Amino acid sequence: TQLLEQSPQFLSIQEGENLTVYCNSSSVFSSLQWYRQEPGEGPVLLVTVVTGGEVKKLKRLTFQFGDARKDSSLHITAAQPGDTGLYLCAGDRGPGTPLVFGKGTRLSVIA
Amino acid sequence: DVKVTQSSRYLVKRTGEKVFLECVQDMDHENMFWYRQDPGLGLRLIYFSYDVKMKEKGDIPEGYSVSREKKERFSLILESASTNQTSMYLCASLPGTVNTEAFFGQGTRLTVV
Repeated sequence: TQLLEQSPQFLSIQEGENLTVYCNSSSVFSSLQWYRQEPGEGPVLLVTVVTGGEVKKLKRLTFQFGDARKDSSLHITAAQPGDTGLYLCAGDRGPGTPLVFGKGTRLSVIA
Repeated sequence: DVKVTQSSRYLVKRTGEKVFLECVQDMDHENMFWYRQDPGLGLRLIYFSYDVKMKEKGDIPEGYSVSREKKERFSLILESASTNQTSMYLCASLPGTVNTEAFFGQGTRLTVV
């Protein structure tokens, strides 16, 4: 059973479009993290959301943590080809436990 | 600049060989992890370690073992490589506190022929 479900699995959009990626669970997490991975490289952290209902913005990227701390979303405004990559959400269940990763959303932004 | 370094980016090994994947971190992190990443399956945890000489099985430990003799180094061992172990292997480290960033190595793409 996958603890974190990401959707969609694949997304191909035109430059300038907006998109939202979802990360859902039935479990509560102390925080949720979003990573971006480029081909041939390891994932790199984009943001950590800790408080239920929290919204964080990183330029054109907006991250939200659900009120119940079970889900999160990533919204990209006016996507650019440089946004292309694999987006992973990861849940932190607390000290002494490994991060739980979703399967990822592979985004392709076409110029 | 913090770093997690994996010893090889690409490896090709023969079935039955013993394979060592090395990972070194320079951040004095307590926790280190080995994942494999396959299309459609995401990152799956193989083994992790919370301290020197300590190890815990992850979700898919079969066919693998690990060694952590020093805090900065965490090795993944494929005792007898098989073709179904062809994958991208990622090492990560994490400090011993909650809600902190995991730092990943660049990955090792292993092909077993």
